[in-house]
Amino acid sequence: GAVVSQHPSRVICKSGTSVKIECRSLDFQATTMFWYRQFPKQSLMLMATSNEGSKATYEQGVEKDKFLINHASLTLSTLTVTSAHPEDSSFYICSARQVSNQPQHFGDGTRLSIL
Amino acid sequence: AQSVTQPDIHITVSEGASLELRCNYSYGATPYLFWYVQSPGQGLQLLLKYFSGDTLVQGIKGFEAEFKRSQSSFNLRKPSVHWSDAAEYFCAVDARRADKLIFGTGTRLQVFP
Repeated sequence: GAVVSQHPSRVICKSGTSVKIECRSLDFQATTMFWYRQFPKQSLMLMATSNEGSKATYEQGVEKDKFLINHASLTLSTLTVTSAHPEDSSFYICSARQVSNQPQHFGDGTRLSIL
Repeated sequence: AQSVTQPDIHITVSEGASLELRCNYSYGATPYLFWYVQSPGQGLQLLLKYFSGDTLVQGIKGFEAEFKRSQSSFNLRKPSVHWSDAAEYFCAVDARRADKLIFGTGTRLQVFP
């Protein structure tokens, strides 16, 4: 149980394009989803917390107009990297949690490469 | 501010040897504590968690962890390591009020045959 699917697993695109990443909880309803960014050989950095039906809460230093997050249903959240540039290249990981006293369950991540 | 420290960046053990990965946290009260494992290029898998109760927690893949309040520690152990255990291990703390996970910097485990 507690499976989180993240798609796509890898994206390569040109600078200036927008990229959408999907995060789905397959066998549970996720009231909260989280988006992380991970640089090579480093830990996870929380970008934003998303509650279903509400605006996402962004961490300090994360541009909300750059990283658009939508959590329209209890099983789906999307992260859109708008007008992506090479410095946005990274590994993006989502997680989903059913209720606040339960652990987060992670997707397999998306490797984003901007040329 | 809450923080999580994993003092060992890289650990190498022989297959069959015992393992202990260290984790210390800084927080005023008892947080929720987690260990996750990450294989290269993949997401994180939950190994075990501590919320309350018995301070020795059993997880998947033969791992266990012990919460020691006096030492603010939550060390991960395994009595006999398998080659498939080679991965990156992250300790994480949920500071409850902040309602988000704070991760340690990770410990990379290498296993030699």
